[in-house]
Amino acid sequence: QSVLTQPPSASGTPGQRVTISCSGSSSNIGSNSVNWYQQVPGTAPKLLIYRNNQRPSGVPDRFSGSKSGTSASLAINGLQSEDEVDYYCAAWDDSLSGWVFGGGTKLTVL
Amino acid sequence: QVQLVQSGAEVKKPGASVKVSCKASGNTFTAYDMHWVRQAPGQGLEWMGRINPNSGDTSFAQKFQGRVTMTRDTSINTAYMELTKLRSDDTAEYYCAREGVGGPSGVNWFDPWGQGTLVTVSS
Repeated sequence: QSVLTQPPSASGTPGQRVTISCSGSSSNIGSNSVNWYQQVPGTAPKLLIYRNNQRPSGVPDRFSGSKSGTSASLAINGLQSEDEVDYYCAAWDDSLSGWVFGGGTKLTVL
Repeated sequence: QVQLVQSGAEVKKPGASVKVSCKASGNTFTAYDMHWVRQAPGQGLEWMGRINPNSGDTSFAQKFQGRVTMTRDTSINTAYMELTKLRSDDTAEYYCAREGVGGPSGVNWFDPWGQGTLVTVSS
């Protein structure tokens, strides 16, 4: 059971906008920034969004992040077939004094 | 661009120990904490702990307290994670990941990540 809650799956058609939610509590998302990682199965996770809404160099601006209260969201505009991978949210938890992750969301491009 | 290169796959018997290495390129090894994250087959990501390569200070997730040790060798820019008393449910891909910036964890992130080391625990 993950500390952060994500939907196990999400889907959309090419060109569509998709959002993935991440729900936490006051000790993690509510008081710290949220990061998002993208993982192609069989490979290491890759940083996608940091500090709630910042994109690392090289990440397309189709990807965006937001945070409100104890929840965060990842939005993908102009969905493409290569976006069909797994996405994880993460945040520092003050109560646990450790990093916590969401259970991951598998995105399907229909 | 910093790269993290991990040691190869391991197969261990229940009760044994495993030590995974993570070698960093560049000259910033001691500047940022190194974390270890694992992923069981078909499962999500799980934070295990971190080491400050400069001081050697460590902190671990409660779940792994008493079974995990994290060390470093600054002369070769390498961090190590040793897990003891292995069980079948320790079978997982183990990743090292560097903190993005120095400073508080609450505003930090993991980048880059190592390529992963598969540890299989089987009798």
